[in-house]
Amino acid sequence: NAGVMQNPRHLVRRRGQEARLRCSPMKGHSHVYWYRQLPEEGLKFMVYLQKENIIDESGMPKERFSAEFPKEGPSILRIQQVVRGDSAAYFCASSGVGDEKLFFGSGTQLSVL
Amino acid sequence: AQRVTQPEKLLSVFKGAPVELKCNYSYSGSPELFWYVQYSRQRLQLLLRHISRESIKGFTADLNKGETSFHLKKPFAQEEDSAMYYCALATGTASKLTFGTGTRLQVTL
Repeated sequence: NAGVMQNPRHLVRRRGQEARLRCSPMKGHSHVYWYRQLPEEGLKFMVYLQKENIIDESGMPKERFSAEFPKEGPSILRIQQVVRGDSAAYFCASSGVGDEKLFFGSGTQLSVL
Repeated sequence: AQRVTQPEKLLSVFKGAPVELKCNYSYSGSPELFWYVQYSRQRLQLLLRHISRESIKGFTADLNKGETSFHLKKPFAQEEDSAMYYCALATGTASKLTFGTGTRLQVTL
């Protein structure tokens, strides 16, 4: 089991471009969580998804950010029209049904120029 | 709103010395607390959770509701304990976590 896979590891975008971050949960896991870590800060919860459903998006910025977890394929965190303040490490975690232990990916470092 | 505070950014101790990584929380509900660790070049991983009341790699943490603290302790630090440690509070589902800013533990000879 390869664990939670995130790609790309590093992503560089210019202001105004779109960023797409991918996360494949651990095999057998159907719950995905996205966290963001700004420089010098702790990880902050963004969104919790199950297959084809957004369960809790209370941590998502109201504009430009969206997330999905389709029936097939990885979960995608999409940031439209990126700004410098979006530069951060974005971590994905997954858990199984009835198991509250989170397994984290290695993260995607987004840099906005 | 919930909050987790880790007052020390860096804690440097000698090998064999006791370690205490501080964590305080603020939450109006019934807290569930965790310690996560990130070793160099590795992923963030769960170290221990308070409901398990277990000792992992010699580390223990006791939830003190009166002081709203969940400090991580180890009696004798080892070099391999050098890592970044994050305290986290679960609210709502146990998987929705609020993290502290982390403490880097540096164990030197």
